[in-house]
Amino acid sequence: LAKTTQPISMDSYEGQEVNITCSHNNIATNDYITWYQQFPSQGPRFIIQGYKTKVTNEVASLFIPADRKSSTLSLPRVSLSDTAVYYCLVGDLKAAGNKLTFGGGTRVLVKP
Amino acid sequence: DAGVIQSPRHEVTEMGQEVTLRCKPISGHDYLFWYRQTMMRGLELLIYFNNNVPIDDSGMPEDRFSAKMPNASFSTLKIQPSEPRDSAVYFCASTSTETVNTEAFFGQGTRLTVV
Repeated sequence: LAKTTQPISMDSYEGQEVNITCSHNNIATNDYITWYQQFPSQGPRFIIQGYKTKVTNEVASLFIPADRKSSTLSLPRVSLSDTAVYYCLVGDLKAAGNKLTFGGGTRVLVKP
Repeated sequence: DAGVIQSPRHEVTEMGQEVTLRCKPISGHDYLFWYRQTMMRGLELLIYFNNNVPIDDSGMPEDRFSAKMPNASFSTLKIQPSEPRDSAVYFCASTSTETVNTEAFFGQGTRLTVV
């Protein structure tokens, strides 16, 4: 998978919007952009995936510019329970030889 | 479906003993991944299977580690002999070529402590 760079940590407060940007300059044409969330003592959980433009679901929004060299995960009105590590992955699992490799993630701390 | 099921949830063993971790993937999934997570090294991919065949084991740290997938519904990760530095949380994940690309489903993990 393409190498990704994201901030190590971010602090926020309840009710605020949290935006985490991931850089992936060498993204390939067929690569998807995927975000996972991991709570303490649990396995990562898929949040959202996109290829281009904007994707929104009940949990988050994913903004992808036209050049696809970066992406931003947006968590609206966070609560204390959104405290977790968020991982950005870029790749195409269905391509031969590809695999799910996680980087360091961004540790988000939501304060009261 | 009950999701990916791992057992045991916790394992404490003495150095030198053999440890076997087990994973039951989601029915119908054709990819299975084994990960190890520590504070120092983060989430590391150890090995993954496609249709029960190991595709990439480049993440397996040493010959002490081995993984098998005898059928589509069961996989094991074995450490023999175990060492204190093997202490970590081990996750199993599965996915399918029919699901959303790069969406994998993780188990609850096995917390291994080697003393």
